[in-house]
Amino acid sequence: DAMVIQNPRYQVTQFGKPVTLSCSQTLNHNVMYWYQQKSSQAPKLLFHYYDKDFNNEADTPDNFQSRRPNTSFCFLDIRSPGLGDAAMYLCATSRGVGYSGNEQFFGPGTRLTVL
Amino acid sequence: AQTVTQSQPEMSVQEAETVTLSCTYDTSENNYYLFWYKQPPSRQMILVIRQEAYKQQNATENRFSVNFQKAAKSFSLKISDSQLGDTAMYFCALLNTGANSKLTFGKGITLSVRP
Repeated sequence: DAMVIQNPRYQVTQFGKPVTLSCSQTLNHNVMYWYQQKSSQAPKLLFHYYDKDFNNEADTPDNFQSRRPNTSFCFLDIRSPGLGDAAMYLCATSRGVGYSGNEQFFGPGTRLTVL
Repeated sequence: AQTVTQSQPEMSVQEAETVTLSCTYDTSENNYYLFWYKQPPSRQMILVIRQEAYKQQNATENRFSVNFQKAAKSFSLKISDSQLGDTAMYFCALLNTGANSKLTFGKGITLSVRP
């Protein structure tokens, strides 16, 4: 089945130690998104890629970076995790942006713990 | 800027009963899409139902239906014959179709189905 895969499902890191979260998709979608979701809150969009074009949200801290080496993979890098970065990180994909049928497909998420 | 408001943080319903989840939104656009997403505990977010703003007919997917009131900017979700598997957090979301197309989520509502 076509899907969005996130690895690892659970990640523990130390305060200030860089960490990378991975997302891959078999849907061949053009757009990949990264969301941060804190407990019992709505997902907050960090950034997205439309093909190779990177689109950062204005309020996303510089501590968060992303890479998309090819259509299938997208990475979220947190350069110096703080305690406030502990959250669920959701990856999502869509065929395009802003037109009919533009459903976003979500991965299962990676739960990040910062010690 | 667009906003999505879910004013009820949680609801409970008896199995086999009907429940309605409320959502209001605000946008300056005339063409947009509305979604309800379901996020079960520790499981990934999936799309429940979609509504195009230009369609007057309310969307229906099996036991799930919406009451879309465009003038009132209201988009409620009705779940009929509630099942234990409907227990989840439900997010209302709006997708604008402009140049900066973005999916905006409400804060979500936790629905518990009682046996």
